[in-house]
Amino acid sequence: NAGVTQTPKFQVLKTGQSMTLQCAQDMNHEYMSWYRQDPGMGLRLIHYSVGAGITDQGEVPNGYNVSRSTTEDFPLRLLSAAPSQTSVYFCASRGLATGEEQFFGPGTRLTVL
Amino acid sequence: AQSVTQPDIHITVSEGASLELRCNYSYGATPYLFWYVQSPGQGLQLLLKYFSGDTLVQGIKGFEAEFKRSQSSFNLRKPSVHWSDAAEYFCAVGAGQAGTALIFGKGTTLSVSS
Repeated sequence: NAGVTQTPKFQVLKTGQSMTLQCAQDMNHEYMSWYRQDPGMGLRLIHYSVGAGITDQGEVPNGYNVSRSTTEDFPLRLLSAAPSQTSVYFCASRGLATGEEQFFGPGTRLTVL
Repeated sequence: AQSVTQPDIHITVSEGASLELRCNYSYGATPYLFWYVQSPGQGLQLLLKYFSGDTLVQGIKGFEAEFKRSQSSFNLRKPSVHWSDAAEYFCAVGAGQAGTALIFGKGTTLSVSS
């Protein structure tokens, strides 16, 4: 099992550009989520999904879109990148059982100029 | 809405001394609670979790945490700190349906002095 994979590892964008951060898991997990990590702010929840076709907003959803067409994939889209979206982005997944551990991807470091 | 507060931004402990990192949560029902550790440039590693049962939870690397509902706290402890414990520690509470995702505190950076 590869676990949770994220691509790309690093990305530099210009203000106004769009891009998609990819996240995939091969553990057949129903629950997936996206976080951003900024110094002094911890990790903040952007969007999450309880299964294919079902998504919901987290703490900081503005500027980001998600969709969940398959169990395996949960891409995060930046429609018009802003410097405030410079961050490290983590994707995570977990199974259905109560109290199951979240498995985190290695992260994507995004810089918006 | 759920929230997590870690009151201490930075703590310095001498090697061999005991450690307690504080965590307070806000949640209406019985929470799912977690402690993670992150070394510089690394990903997140789960130290321990609580979702029911015994309120004293044992984790990896000699860490433990105690859930106190009356104080809305889930403090992390270790009896003797090693230099390799220097890292950033995050407390988190399960959010969304059945704890689908996590709400994190802002973290506490632990430095270990010799």
